Amino acid sequence: EVQLAQSGAEVKKPGESLKISCKASGYKFTSYFIGWVRQMPGRGLEWVAIMYPGDSDTRYSPSFQGQVTISADKSITTAYLQWSSLKASDTALYYCARLVVPEPGRDYFDSWGQGTLVTVSS
Amino acid sequence: QSVLTQPPSVSAAPGQKVTISCSGSSSNIGDNSVSWYQHLPGTAPKLLIYDNTERPSGIPDRFSGSKSGTSATLGITGLQSGDEADYYCATRDSSLSAGFVFGTGTKVTVL
Repeated sequence: EVQLAQSGAEVKKPGESLKISCKASGYKFTSYFIGWVRQMPGRGLEWVAIMYPGDSDTRYSPSFQGQVTISADKSITTAYLQWSSLKASDTALYYCARLVVPEPGRDYFDSWGQGTLVTVSS
Repeated sequence: QSVLTQPPSVSAAPGQKVTISCSGSSSNIGDNSVSWYQHLPGTAPKLLIYDNTERPSGIPDRFSGSKSGTSATLGITGLQSGDEADYYCATRDSSLSAGFVFGTGTKVTVL
């Protein structure tokens, strides 16, 4: 069974750094893209970034390029999303999800983590 | 501001049918497959439909998907109280660094 277990809620101050995690199990970690999706309070889902742990191929949404960094540690089958300097506008629920790509253009997120709430407030 | 437009809300009585539209363009829906997700607040989103029309194992056939040109539709028949949730379409977009894009989301209310 595919499982994605995310790290717990975080409360940070503006300007602080943060790295949240997503531990994958139940499948070959290096054979699937893994991504992050944001949901701001009262808003919809937004795609943040995806990464292929097998070769570190990484894609970012233009809205998030330069704002966050996606990474992965193959040895512990864990993906990360990190910020170097948080802003209040980063306050949101962040989900990790596995992306299945049968072929380009036919992909979809089939398994999701439970979400990590990030609160940034002074 | 998503490039995939959905109605903000739809509603119907239990047992009835609702349809949710997802309107895009040639660079996203027109050129790629669409997936649909059900999201209840505080829980992980759930994949309902992939590859425009396919249901994952465990998803009842009350849920169906279709695509025509640059639009896609999710249908839910035999509406149940447990179907009350937010629903999102999603697809790739060739104009966004080959990235992914979600629709604006639709709240389904069971009257």
